[in-house]
Amino acid sequence: EAGVAQSPRYKIIEKRQSVAFWCNPISGHATLYWYQQILGQGPKLLIQFQNNGVVDDSQLPKDRFSAERLKGVDSTLKIQPAKLEDSAVYLCASTWGFEAFFGQGTRLTVV
Amino acid sequence: SQQGEEDPQALSIQEGENATMNCSYKTSINNLQWYRQNSGRGLVHLILIRSNEREKHSGRLRVTLDTSKKSSSLLITASRAADTASYFCASRMDSSYKLIFGSGTRLLVRP
Repeated sequence: EAGVAQSPRYKIIEKRQSVAFWCNPISGHATLYWYQQILGQGPKLLIQFQNNGVVDDSQLPKDRFSAERLKGVDSTLKIQPAKLEDSAVYLCASTWGFEAFFGQGTRLTVV
Repeated sequence: SQQGEEDPQALSIQEGENATMNCSYKTSINNLQWYRQNSGRGLVHLILIRSNEREKHSGRLRVTLDTSKKSSSLLITASRAADTASYFCASRMDSSYKLIFGSGTRLLVRP
Protein backbone atom coordinates (compact mmCIF):
# COMPACT_ATOMS: atom_id res chain seq x y z
CA GLU A 1 0.00 0.00 0.00
CA ALA A 2 1.43 3.38 -0.99
CA GLY A 3 1.88 5.88 1.81
CA VAL A 4 1.04 9.56 2.06
CA ALA A 5 2.99 11.48 -0.55
CA GLN A 6 4.08 15.07 -0.05
CA SER A 7 6.03 17.46 -2.23
CA PRO A 8 8.30 19.25 -2.30
CA ARG A 9 10.52 17.85 0.46
CA TYR A 10 12.34 21.13 0.97
CA LYS A 11 11.59 24.73 0.04
CA ILE A 12 13.49 27.94 0.70
CA ILE A 13 11.75 31.23 -0.04
CA GLU A 14 12.15 34.88 0.86
CA LYS A 15 9.67 36.54 3.18
CA ARG A 16 6.60 37.97 1.44
CA GLN A 17 6.83 35.34 -1.30
CA SER A 18 4.18 32.68 -1.76
CA VAL A 19 4.55 28.91 -1.53
CA ALA A 20 2.36 25.85 -2.04
CA PHE A 21 2.60 22.33 -0.69
CA TRP A 22 0.94 19.27 -2.15
CA CYS A 23 -0.34 16.13 -0.46
CA ASN A 24 -1.67 12.88 -1.91
CA PRO A 25 -3.25 10.80 0.87
CA ILE A 26 -3.61 7.05 1.02
CA SER A 27 -6.33 5.89 -1.37
CA GLY A 28 -9.72 5.68 0.30
CA HIS A 29 -8.79 7.76 3.35
CA ALA A 30 -11.60 10.23 3.94
CA THR A 31 -9.93 12.38 6.60
CA LEU A 32 -6.93 14.56 5.76
CA TYR A 33 -4.98 16.78 8.14
CA TRP A 34 -2.34 19.47 7.69
CA TYR A 35 -0.03 20.12 10.61
CA GLN A 36 2.67 22.70 11.21
CA GLN A 37 5.65 21.50 13.25
CA ILE A 38 8.11 24.12 14.44
CA LEU A 39 11.52 22.80 15.43
CA GLY A 40 11.43 21.26 18.90
CA GLN A 41 7.64 21.35 19.20
CA GLY A 42 4.77 18.98 18.61
CA PRO A 43 2.66 19.11 15.44
CA LYS A 44 0.01 21.84 15.51
CA LEU A 45 -3.21 21.13 13.63
CA LEU A 46 -3.88 23.71 10.93
CA ILE A 47 -6.83 22.25 9.07
CA GLN A 48 -8.82 19.04 8.88
CA PHE A 49 -10.84 17.83 5.89
CA GLN A 50 -13.50 15.14 5.80
CA ASN A 51 -13.70 14.15 2.12
CA ASN A 52 -13.62 17.58 0.45
CA GLY A 53 -15.28 19.52 3.28
CA VAL A 54 -13.48 21.45 6.02
CA VAL A 55 -14.17 20.03 9.50
CA ASP A 56 -11.88 22.33 11.47
CA ASP A 57 -9.69 25.26 10.48
CA SER A 58 -9.75 27.14 13.76
CA GLN A 59 -5.92 27.25 13.98
CA LEU A 60 -5.33 28.24 10.34
CA PRO A 61 -4.07 31.85 9.96
CA LYS A 62 -6.63 32.64 7.27
CA ASP A 63 -5.13 36.00 6.38
CA ARG A 64 -2.18 34.22 4.79
CA PHE A 65 -2.86 30.47 4.73
CA SER A 66 -5.35 28.66 2.53
CA ALA A 67 -6.01 25.02 1.81
CA GLU A 68 -8.23 23.02 -0.47
CA ARG A 69 -8.96 19.40 -1.13
CA LEU A 70 -10.23 18.81 -4.61
CA LYS A 71 -12.62 15.91 -5.21
CA GLY A 72 -11.86 14.62 -1.74
CA VAL A 73 -8.44 13.32 -2.71
CA ASP A 74 -5.32 15.51 -3.18
CA SER A 75 -4.85 18.61 -1.09
CA THR A 76 -2.79 21.78 -1.37
CA LEU A 77 -1.76 24.18 1.37
CA LYS A 78 -0.71 27.68 0.36
CA ILE A 79 0.98 30.50 2.22
CA GLN A 80 0.83 34.02 0.81
CA PRO A 81 2.70 36.09 1.85
CA ALA A 82 5.16 34.07 3.92
CA LYS A 83 6.66 35.38 7.15
CA LEU A 84 9.85 34.35 8.90
CA GLU A 85 7.84 32.60 11.62
CA ASP A 86 6.30 30.27 9.02
CA SER A 87 9.59 28.37 8.90
CA ALA A 88 8.60 24.86 9.94
CA VAL A 89 7.89 21.37 8.68
CA TYR A 90 4.42 21.01 7.17
CA LEU A 91 3.03 17.53 7.65
CA CYS A 92 0.11 15.94 5.89
CA ALA A 93 -1.69 12.94 7.37
CA SER A 94 -4.68 10.85 6.38
CA THR A 95 -6.88 8.39 8.25
CA TRP A 96 -9.60 5.90 7.52
CA GLY A 97 -10.06 4.63 11.08
CA PHE A 98 -8.32 6.03 14.15
CA GLU A 99 -4.66 5.62 13.15
CA ALA A 100 -3.14 8.52 11.24
CA PHE A 101 -0.59 7.92 8.48
CA PHE A 102 1.88 10.72 7.90
CA GLY A 103 3.87 11.85 4.92
CA GLN A 104 7.55 12.80 5.21
CA GLY A 105 6.68 16.48 5.39
CA THR A 106 7.85 19.61 3.60
CA ARG A 107 10.57 21.58 5.36
CA LEU A 108 9.99 25.29 4.68
CA THR A 109 12.66 27.88 5.38
CA VAL A 110 11.68 31.53 5.05
CA VAL A 111 14.66 33.91 4.83
CA SER B 1 -3.04 26.23 23.30
CA GLN B 2 -4.83 23.10 22.16
CA GLN B 3 -1.82 20.96 22.76
CA GLY B 4 -1.32 18.73 25.70
CA GLU B 5 1.86 18.62 27.68
CA GLU B 6 4.41 15.86 27.90
CA ASP B 7 7.15 15.26 30.39
CA PRO B 8 9.97 14.95 30.55
CA GLN B 9 10.86 17.12 27.55
CA ALA B 10 14.04 15.10 27.15
CA LEU B 11 15.20 11.75 28.52
CA SER B 12 18.60 10.08 28.25
CA ILE B 13 19.00 6.46 29.30
CA GLN B 14 21.36 3.54 28.83
CA GLU B 15 20.49 0.72 26.44
CA GLY B 16 18.56 -1.98 28.30
CA GLU B 17 16.91 0.44 30.74
CA ASN B 18 13.22 1.29 30.71
CA ALA B 19 11.93 4.65 29.51
CA THR B 20 8.76 6.24 30.85
CA MET B 21 7.14 9.34 29.39
CA ASN B 22 3.96 11.05 30.50
CA CYS B 23 1.26 12.97 28.72
CA SER B 24 -1.58 15.20 29.88
CA TYR B 25 -4.46 16.32 27.70
CA LYS B 26 -7.20 18.89 28.02
CA THR B 27 -10.57 17.66 26.80
CA SER B 28 -12.62 14.48 26.95
CA ILE B 29 -11.36 11.96 24.46
CA ASN B 30 -12.43 8.99 22.39
CA ASN B 31 -8.93 7.53 22.40
CA LEU B 32 -5.31 8.43 22.98
CA GLN B 33 -2.49 7.46 20.66
CA TRP B 34 1.30 7.47 20.79
CA TYR B 35 3.52 8.25 17.81
CA ARG B 36 7.26 8.13 17.20
CA GLN B 37 9.21 10.56 15.04
CA ASN B 38 12.74 9.90 13.94
CA SER B 39 14.83 12.94 13.13
CA GLY B 40 13.70 14.64 9.97
CA ARG B 41 10.98 12.12 9.19
CA GLY B 42 7.22 11.74 9.48
CA LEU B 43 5.39 10.37 12.48
CA VAL B 44 4.67 6.66 12.89
CA HIS B 45 1.77 5.29 14.90
CA LEU B 46 2.80 3.08 17.81
CA ILE B 47 -0.24 2.23 19.91
CA LEU B 48 -3.80 3.33 20.65
CA ILE B 49 -5.74 3.10 23.91
CA ARG B 50 -9.48 3.75 24.03
CA SER B 51 -11.11 5.91 26.70
CA ASN B 52 -12.70 2.84 28.35
CA GLU B 53 -9.36 1.03 28.65
CA ARG B 54 -6.82 1.50 31.46
CA GLU B 55 -3.80 -0.37 30.16
CA LYS B 56 -2.60 -1.80 26.88
CA HIS B 57 0.49 -3.70 25.76
CA SER B 58 2.19 -4.09 22.41
CA GLY B 59 5.56 -5.81 22.32
CA ARG B 60 7.93 -3.73 24.49
CA LEU B 61 5.36 -0.93 24.81
CA ARG B 62 2.96 -0.47 27.70
CA VAL B 63 0.45 2.37 27.76
CA THR B 64 -1.76 3.43 30.65
CA LEU B 65 -4.66 5.86 30.64
CA ASP B 66 -6.26 7.70 33.55
CA THR B 67 -9.25 9.64 32.25
CA SER B 68 -10.01 11.13 35.67
CA LYS B 69 -6.60 12.83 35.62
CA LYS B 70 -6.58 13.33 31.84
CA SER B 71 -3.19 11.67 31.66
CA SER B 72 -1.40 8.80 29.97
CA SER B 73 2.01 7.20 30.19
CA LEU B 74 4.13 5.26 27.73
CA LEU B 75 6.67 2.73 29.00
CA ILE B 76 9.30 1.30 26.68
CA THR B 77 10.99 -1.71 28.28
CA ALA B 78 14.50 -2.94 27.56
CA SER B 79 15.28 0.07 25.39
CA ARG B 80 17.53 -0.14 22.34
CA ALA B 81 19.62 2.47 20.55
CA ALA B 82 17.10 2.27 17.69
CA ASP B 83 14.41 3.60 20.06
CA THR B 84 16.14 6.99 19.98
CA ALA B 85 13.45 9.35 18.64
CA SER B 86 10.84 11.87 19.72
CA TYR B 87 7.62 10.47 21.15
CA PHE B 88 4.29 12.27 20.99
CA CYS B 89 0.92 11.53 22.48
CA ALA B 90 -2.13 12.48 20.44
CA SER B 91 -5.64 12.78 21.80
CA ARG B 92 -8.57 12.01 19.56
CA MET B 93 -11.38 14.26 20.71
CA ASP B 94 -14.76 12.91 21.66
CA SER B 95 -16.94 15.10 19.47
CA SER B 96 -14.90 15.22 16.30
CA TYR B 97 -12.11 13.56 14.42
CA LYS B 98 -9.60 16.13 15.64
CA LEU B 99 -6.21 14.66 16.52
CA ILE B 100 -4.29 16.94 18.87
CA PHE B 101 -0.63 16.31 19.63
CA GLY B 102 1.37 16.95 22.75
CA SER B 103 4.69 18.73 22.93
CA GLY B 104 6.76 15.54 22.80
CA THR B 105 9.54 13.78 24.68
CA ARG B 106 12.96 13.46 23.06
CA LEU B 107 14.42 10.09 24.01
CA LEU B 108 18.11 9.29 23.65
CA VAL B 109 19.17 5.70 24.24
CA ARG B 110 22.93 5.44 24.70
CA PRO B 111 24.58 2.23 23.47
